Amino acid sequence: EDQVTQSPEALRLQEGESSSLNCSYTVSGLRGLFWYRQDPGKGPEFLFTLYSAGEEKEKERLKATLTKKESFLHITAPKPEDSATYLCAVHPISGYALNFGKGTSLLVTP
Amino acid sequence: DGGITQSPKYLFRKEGQNVTLSCEQNLNHDAMYWYRQDPGQGLRLIYYSQIVNDFQKGDIAEGYSVSREKKESFPLTVTSAQKNPTAFYLCASTRDRPNTGELFFGEGSRLTVL
Repeated sequence: EDQVTQSPEALRLQEGESSSLNCSYTVSGLRGLFWYRQDPGKGPEFLFTLYSAGEEKEKERLKATLTKKESFLHITAPKPEDSATYLCAVHPISGYALNFGKGTSLLVTP
Repeated sequence: DGGITQSPKYLFRKEGQNVTLSCEQNLNHDAMYWYRQDPGQGLRLIYYSQIVNDFQKGDIAEGYSVSREKKESFPLTVTSAQKNPTAFYLCASTRDRPNTGELFFGEGSRLTVL
């Protein structure tokens, strides 16, 4: 059975304090791994897709990396506006829809 | 601007009533999805549709029904058979060819059962 586990569940950072969010996955075959950002009361917003181990993608203060068993979302020098829930999802070869983890709730304080 | 429109944003329902959540997209996407989100839970797939007049059950389809009469529209009915309907409901769509898997989401509908 495909599984996606995100850690930590919640993370509090001071502004400028870099850290990483983890997404570990178990899937029979991976078509893609996705990261989304979700603000309270809103729909998720697409950030990155990673397709193969070793791949990296960056956007502003965010950098996503992928291995065969996990993905990391690195946040460099975060700002309060980076506060949100970050969702990881896998697109399995055997399935049609994305399977989501429970998310990491990030709070960045000034 | 292209996008997905969900309505209503907030909905209150008495127990025993059916309610229908609207989802319309003008992205010309083939596939559409309904997910449910509860506090502390990941998004769970209710139903999805790859093409007009066809849809498949997701992981938690019991107590829900859908239709796909038009490419642009994928309404979700929460029936009285759904035992715990209070949740945040998200509609999404993707291109089908190629199926990159990237979901485009609406703003969500929050249903509260009184």
